[in-house]
Order: sequence, then C-alpha cells, then structure tokens
Amino acid sequence: GAVVSQHPSRVICKSGTSVKIECRSLDFQATTMFWYRQFPKQSLMLMATSNEGSKATYEQGVEKDKFLINHASLTLSTLTVTSAHPEDSSFYICSASLGLAHYEQYFGPGTRLTVT
Amino acid sequence: AQTVTQSQPEMSVQEAETVTLSCTYDTSESDYYLFWYKQPPSRQMILVIRQEAYKQQNATENRFSVNFQKAAKSFSLKISDSQLGDAAMYFCAYWLYNQGGKLIFGQGTELSVKP
Repeated sequence: GAVVSQHPSRVICKSGTSVKIECRSLDFQATTMFWYRQFPKQSLMLMATSNEGSKATYEQGVEKDKFLINHASLTLSTLTVTSAHPEDSSFYICSASLGLAHYEQYFGPGTRLTVT
Repeated sequence: AQTVTQSQPEMSVQEAETVTLSCTYDTSESDYYLFWYKQPPSRQMILVIRQEAYKQQNATENRFSVNFQKAAKSFSLKISDSQLGDAAMYFCAYWLYNQGGKLIFGQGTELSVKP
C-alpha cells in the first residue's frame, strides 16, 4: 500500500521560533496533499490543501502567514509554523492523494508539536 | 454544505461481541464515497472500509461491515467478534468529487473493548 511519512514525529520548540514539518509520499507521486490539525479526543480539522507547484488553498479561519505550506515536488510537502505560540501546540497530520479527483487519501503518522 | 454526524461520542463492547457505530450525513449529491477510519492510540489513521454510494451492496471487510441506507443518509459500522485491538477512535468520512478532494469527517466515536 501507499506509504506517507512525516518528520519529525515529535518536536518541542520555544515560543517565537519557527518549526518545519515534512510530509513525504514514499512510493507514489502525490499531486495533492492535505494538512490537518487535531486536538485530543477531537476530529481532524482540515487546515489547507496543497497541489504540487501551486499555492496552497487554506480553510476559512486558518492564518496563511502563520502556517506556511510548500508543495514543491510530487513527493514532499512542508508545513512551517512561524512564530509559534503555546496555542499552536497540537497534533498535525498530513495526507496525500494522487489528485483532487482521487478519493483515496493516505495518511502520515502525525507530528506532535509542543510550544513552550 | 455537506456534514457528517456521529452521535455517539463513546461506545463500549465486550470482547467477542458485536457493536455498531452510527453515522449520518447530509448531502444533496447522488454520487459520493463514504469511509470509516480507525485511529488507535498511536494516532495513525487507518482505513477500515469504503462504500461507493452508487453501489447498493453493503461493503464488508472481514469482521467489519457497513449498513448503508442511502435514502436515510445513514452509514453505520458493525464490528463483529470484537477484539482488544479494535479499541480506538473511529471516524466516519464523506468524499465528493467536486469539493476539492476533501474528506469531511464526523466528530468521532471512541470505542473501548472490555476483556
């Protein structure tokens, strides 16, 4: 099956710094990648959709200047949390698909971000 | 707008017994996909089962089966012969071709399995 990795799995950073999370599709070309945020015991909240070579489409209420998404290749998308604050602490999950017309999404294992 | 509702925040089942998780959705479309995902304590999302709306036959994957009632917009998941490893959060999700490839998730149901 299709495999998606995320790095790092856990990260702790200080308030005011930036942190980058990588999402890679290991055995297929992911035209489209999605970034989600999840709080404990809650559902996945879609933050943005990125298509390779294009600007990401952000969901309403998500600050695009704070959560920078880059999808420069068919196997890599990155989420950079800029000027992180404790309220940005959360579990971030990416998923990848062959494209917008494909219903199957392959999920990464997630990244736990803690901002101190 | 499409919505997915899981009305059971928590469910519990005895090992080896059967449990049914409920999911309803709202859509005016006729062709879409429905999914059940499992999220164990590791938090890795795992696809459990998929149902294409144009198929009348209910999907089945080993101990997991669905009851898809299209007119009622209901999509429940039945887990038979429950095992300790089935304990997890379960999310129902909906996918429509023309909504930008997005999955719409329900709120989730936390399933515990008692030995």
